[in-house]
Amino acid sequence: DSGVTQTPKHLITATGQRVTLRCSPRSGDLSVYWYQQSLDQGLQFLIQYYNGEERAKGNILERFSAQQFPDLHSELNLSSLELGDSALYFCASSVNVGGIEQFFGPGTRLTVL
Amino acid sequence: GEDVEQSLFLSVREGDSSVINCTYTDSSSTYLYWYKQEPGAGLQLLTYIFSNMDMKQDQRLTVLLNKKDKHLSLRIADTQTGDSAIYFCAEKIDRGGKLIFGQGTELSVKP
Repeated sequence: DSGVTQTPKHLITATGQRVTLRCSPRSGDLSVYWYQQSLDQGLQFLIQYYNGEERAKGNILERFSAQQFPDLHSELNLSSLELGDSALYFCASSVNVGGIEQFFGPGTRLTVL
Repeated sequence: GEDVEQSLFLSVREGDSSVINCTYTDSSSTYLYWYKQEPGAGLQLLTYIFSNMDMKQDQRLTVLLNKKDKHLSLRIADTQTGDSAIYFCAEKIDRGGKLIFGQGTELSVKP
């Protein structure tokens, strides 16, 4: 158990809908990262937040957004969902902004029908 | 560009050593990682190596880094059936936290 929690574990929704994925980092970690794992794209970095501020952005679609709250939990919002958004979404956390050691949560499996 | 390549499958016998290989293209990598993913689970950080090191050993795991050839390997000694999983190589290329992952190597350990 990495100490990173993600909810929900599974999510099934329809095209065009909007969902919110939630992540709680390990106690004491200030950085949160979101990654997407899909069969065709593999594991891809989406976005990083550090202490409430966006610090790095990867291949994140404009339909997706994230934020980190004062209690350091983070949410990833996915809107106007398409079939191709079906994937495993992982959250990771690290103590500092450099992210040398990133610990991953169990993931949220999103299925878009 | 940023690219990390791994072979997709490796099969070994229990008790043998496993060697999983990875190549990367970005010479500005600062840290290189090995993560393990078991079915239905998240990624477990196994070990990592700073780019100015050649080797790191941690119990049954040995990481070798050849910066000249941009080649990273993970050797698992005395491989057990519990080592069956997908192993991901990853690199970190800047001061931010973005990790670039390979496509993963599925290790199958036969009794």
